[in-house]
Amino acid sequence: NAGVTQTPKFRVLKTGQSMTLLCAQDMNHEYMYWYRQDPGMGLRLIHYSVGEGTTAKGEVPDGYNVSRLKKQNFLLGLESAAPSQTSVYFCASRDPGLAGMNEQFFGPGTRLTVL
Amino acid sequence: GENVEQHPSTLSVQEGDSAVIKCTYSDSASNYFPWYKQELGKRPQLIIDIRSNVGEKKDQRIAVTLNKTAKHFSLHITETQPEDSAVYFCAARLVYQFYFGTGTSLTVIP
Repeated sequence: NAGVTQTPKFRVLKTGQSMTLLCAQDMNHEYMYWYRQDPGMGLRLIHYSVGEGTTAKGEVPDGYNVSRLKKQNFLLGLESAAPSQTSVYFCASRDPGLAGMNEQFFGPGTRLTVL
Repeated sequence: GENVEQHPSTLSVQEGDSAVIKCTYSDSASNYFPWYKQELGKRPQLIIDIRSNVGEKKDQRIAVTLNKTAKHFSLHITETQPEDSAVYFCAARLVYQFYFGTGTSLTVIP
């Protein structure tokens, strides 16, 4: 099993450009998450999904959109990139389990720089 | 939403000593508290977790304690080794969402 994979690993954008980050998981997990990690800020939740066709906002959703058309994929879109969106983006997935306590599995991250 | 605070932000210990990292949370409805270790350039890795109906959990040199009344939980690493050097994050789960602390950079000095 590949676990959670992210595409691309690195990307440089100019202000105003758009892009889509792809997260894929092969563990048949129901829940998927997109986080951003900035120095000194920990991980902050952007959007999440609790099943195919569903999405919801997290702590910092502004400037991002997401889609979960297939259970194994969770896409994060930036319509008009801004320098403030320079960050490392992590995707995660988990199965809620019997008591909802199962761990998250993280992807390797995407380092995005917006000039 | 939930607010998770983590202290200290940096911690240096001698090899073999113990390290303690503390976190507080604000919402009493949070019921699951994982701890992650992240090495430079790598993804966060779960090292231990605790549910709200448990006060303490131990896994070899790592232990976590939870005080629901005071809304705080702590990570304890005993007999530290240089390979324990990393950034450690606490988190609290509230419904579907996870809220993370700002991280503790642990350095174990040989």
